[in-house]
Amino acid sequence: QVQLVESGGGVVLPGRSLRLSCAASGFTFSNYAMHWVRQAPGKGLEWVAVISSDGSNKWYADSVKGRFTISRDISKNTLYMQLNSLRADDTAVYYCARGRDSGWYFVYWGQGTLVTVSS
Amino acid sequence: DIQMTQSPSTLSASVGDRVTITCRASQSIYTWLAWYQQKPGKAPKLLIYKASSLESGVPSRFSGSGSGTEFTLTISSLQPDDSATYFCQQYHSGGTFGQGTKVEIK
Repeated sequence: QVQLVESGGGVVLPGRSLRLSCAASGFTFSNYAMHWVRQAPGKGLEWVAVISSDGSNKWYADSVKGRFTISRDISKNTLYMQLNSLRADDTAVYYCARGRDSGWYFVYWGQGTLVTVSS
Repeated sequence: DIQMTQSPSTLSASVGDRVTITCRASQSIYTWLAWYQQKPGKAPKLLIYKASSLESGVPSRFSGSGSGTEFTLTISSLQPDDSATYFCQQYHSGGTFGQGTKVEIK
């Protein structure tokens, strides 16, 4: 069965960096685009970034463009997100997610990893 | 950017009631709309995609309708397990979510 397991969250000072990982299993990782979606505490969902199946195309939400970088390692079946220049409003649970076809809706989700940006 | 507006923000209903949640898009998204259910501390769960297609394994009391800019999620007979927050999401351009509707059981 499809499994997505995030890791790498934690408490970080404003302006610092963090790298999130999402280990994928149960499907052919190289066949699917992969997404990051975040949720600030007590708030709604925000789509953050997507990377195409072969890693050649990437798109970002305006709120993270220029600060976050999505990547993938097909040999390790792992999705990454490098978070730089972190701000307090980046505090959220970060989920990796996968769709079923080319549509950007999400059938499979990880359990999430919490990033807290605080001094 | 396409904005998504859900209403109401919260609703309280009794077991067996018919419940309707509305989602409006700031421009036409055709039928590129999904609905999710989220319970506290858990990842969202896909209920409906392409506005009205029921995801496999989702109870048939859930249904979706609409096209263009106005959409609805209906729970035909509310059950205790349906207590959750529901989000719509457009995927016509990017992936914007609505702000959520919290459904409580009276």
